[in-house]
Amino acid sequence: EAGVAQSPRYKIIEKRQSVAFWCNPISGHATLYWYQQILGQGPKLLIQFQNNGVVDDSQLPKDRFSAERLKGVDSTLKIQPAKLEDSAVYLCASSPWGLAGALNTGELFFGEGSRLTVL
Amino acid sequence: AQSVSQHNHHVILSEAASLELGCNYSYGGTVNLFWYVQYPGQHLQLLLKYFSGDPLVKGIKGFEAEFIKSKFSFNLRKPSVQWSDTAEYFCAVNAHAGKSTFGDGTTLTVKP
Repeated sequence: EAGVAQSPRYKIIEKRQSVAFWCNPISGHATLYWYQQILGQGPKLLIQFQNNGVVDDSQLPKDRFSAERLKGVDSTLKIQPAKLEDSAVYLCASSPWGLAGALNTGELFFGEGSRLTVL
Repeated sequence: AQSVSQHNHHVILSEAASLELGCNYSYGGTVNLFWYVQYPGQHLQLLLKYFSGDPLVKGIKGFEAEFIKSKFSFNLRKPSVQWSDTAEYFCAVNAHAGKSTFGDGTTLTVKP
């Protein structure tokens, strides 16, 4: 079974520039998450989608961050304009949560992450 | 809101030593609990999970964790660590709607 795919793995930009990250979840997983992991901290949830609807985006800085999951499969996270404090690893995860008949334990399946450095 | 606290930021052990990593959470209702591990250069992956039944759960590579509801704790243990256990360990709580909250992680370094 293919895992969660993310790209790019690394990105270096200057502040005020824009960047986009892409995620393709495990096939059939209904729920997709974007987490931000700053060095020395645990992952912090930015946004949670179930199919193509937003479940929770309360921690997403909406003045600069946006995310979409148009067809309920892959997703894009965009930052515009970037700030120095956005330097972090952006993790995408998926789970079968919300899928009829799925055992909804909340287990997450993570991608490799996209490391962003803002100069 | 749910929160997770991991007591040790960095633990250094020699091979064959015993390991216990603390994890406490704050949430008054039913929770699912997880330990995830991130080996150097790899992605986060599940080590073990608890969602019901026996509060002592066993995971991969000889790890186990005990859920103590009265203490809001889910500590990770391994009787004898190996050099290959060097990694970062994250405790996570899932209380509702599939949303997981993570602790800040513990970096384990095992000296050969």
